Amino acid sequence: DTGVSQNPRHKITKRGQNVTFRCDPISEHNRLYWYRQTLGQGPEFLTYFQNEAQLEKSRLLSDRFSAERPKGSFSTLEIQRTEQGDSAMYLCASSLEVRGYEQYFGPGTRLTVT
Amino acid sequence: GESVGLHLPTLSVQEGDNSIINCAYSNSASDYFIWYKQESGKGPQFIIDIRSNMDKRQGQRVTVLLNKTVKHLSLQIAATQPGDSAVYFCAEKREDNYGQNFVFGPGTRLSVLP
Repeated sequence: DTGVSQNPRHKITKRGQNVTFRCDPISEHNRLYWYRQTLGQGPEFLTYFQNEAQLEKSRLLSDRFSAERPKGSFSTLEIQRTEQGDSAMYLCASSLEVRGYEQYFGPGTRLTVT
Repeated sequence: GESVGLHLPTLSVQEGDNSIINCAYSNSASDYFIWYKQESGKGPQFIIDIRSNMDKRQGQRVTVLLNKTVKHLSLQIAATQPGDSAVYFCAEKREDNYGQNFVFGPGTRLSVLP
């Protein structure tokens, strides 16, 4: 399968714990995006990488959220001191710069904070 | 605040009929728009995009129309099939003082009736 993959698919954690999600983009894609989606809503932009550089970060993103893409390939999204309001689907997407902004999404990681 | 939204949250159409899904946006500076399809349990799937220097763009069974005068975007699906049942999102690429991000609307659920 050459699509975007995300791990884990589901994560249940207790409030206050830290969680980390991984995204593996399509191999030749140099752009990588993270979004958050709650039930019945559209995806909400979180952050965006071009290669290993984090170019944009939503001003709505709490300091508890951090994302990395150390080698310009896979990316991780960490949430520290999780809160119940962090419960959502976390989506990763990738795109190829020369193809514009045509983003391919992964299946998402569903986070439940109890 | 400025936002991307949809006129109708749900749309039911008869199999074989054409579907029209509408989207209103308020940021006149947005220069790029995308339509996505999201099936249950999956990430959004790119359908078609359009730049602001175009009024119309056609794909396979789909057409996107952009009316910049009234800030309106629509997705037309020809000969709607059961496999078209999903939630459809419009998204705009927005650039502001905080940088570039993608803003999604809340979505329209399309149900195809046999």
